[in-house]
Amino acid sequence: GENVEQHPSTLSVQEGDSAVIKCTYSDSASNYFPWYKQELGKRPQLIIDIRSNVGEKKDQRIAVTLNKTAKHFSLHITETQPEDSAVYFCAASIGGSARQLTFGSGTQLTVLP
Amino acid sequence: GAVVSQHPSRVICKSGTSVKIECRSLDFQATTMFWYRQFPKQSLMLMATSNEGSKATYEQGVEKDKFLINHASLTLSTLTVTSAHPEDSSFYICSAPGGGSYEQYFGPGTRLTVT
Repeated sequence: GENVEQHPSTLSVQEGDSAVIKCTYSDSASNYFPWYKQELGKRPQLIIDIRSNVGEKKDQRIAVTLNKTAKHFSLHITETQPEDSAVYFCAASIGGSARQLTFGSGTQLTVLP
Repeated sequence: GAVVSQHPSRVICKSGTSVKIECRSLDFQATTMFWYRQFPKQSLMLMATSNEGSKATYEQGVEKDKFLINHASLTLSTLTVTSAHPEDSSFYICSAPGGGSYEQYFGPGTRLTVT
């Protein structure tokens, strides 16, 4: 089955700096890669996603890059703010009717004011 | 976007008892729903795939006789934790794929505490 690895497990940055979280996946058939932000006790919140037919996607301060050959994808957050502090999860799935997600282990991001 | 609800949001039960958690898709139909478990400071781990009108598919290591799943309608899946023990204490989250998109819609989760 699919295996998703995520690094780093914790990340502290100064407010205004950029944060980068990286994930690798094992199944070359995976074609959908969402990123979630989860606050304590809450549901995961989709912040950005990318499909395998594109290499990069951006939404304001958030961007995701995908390298299909190397089977890795990354989340980039620019101009970080204290409210960006949360746990971030990457995930991968093979799109279709099942869309079962395999999650990475998570990154605790702390933005220091 | 599509909305998924869960009930209850929190439940405390005694060891040996059973607990039922409901997952509903409020404004769309879901022939498939997923159940995840999340222990503190850990990731979401898929427990099972709930299929409307047929048996659920369980992930390796998940006891199907302990975690009973029923998906009796296109908008409701239930997870029953039978003979609960303290090690079953966790955050249980369901999700459903949105029709026509790759996105999954998550329920708000159920915090189960077994004493």
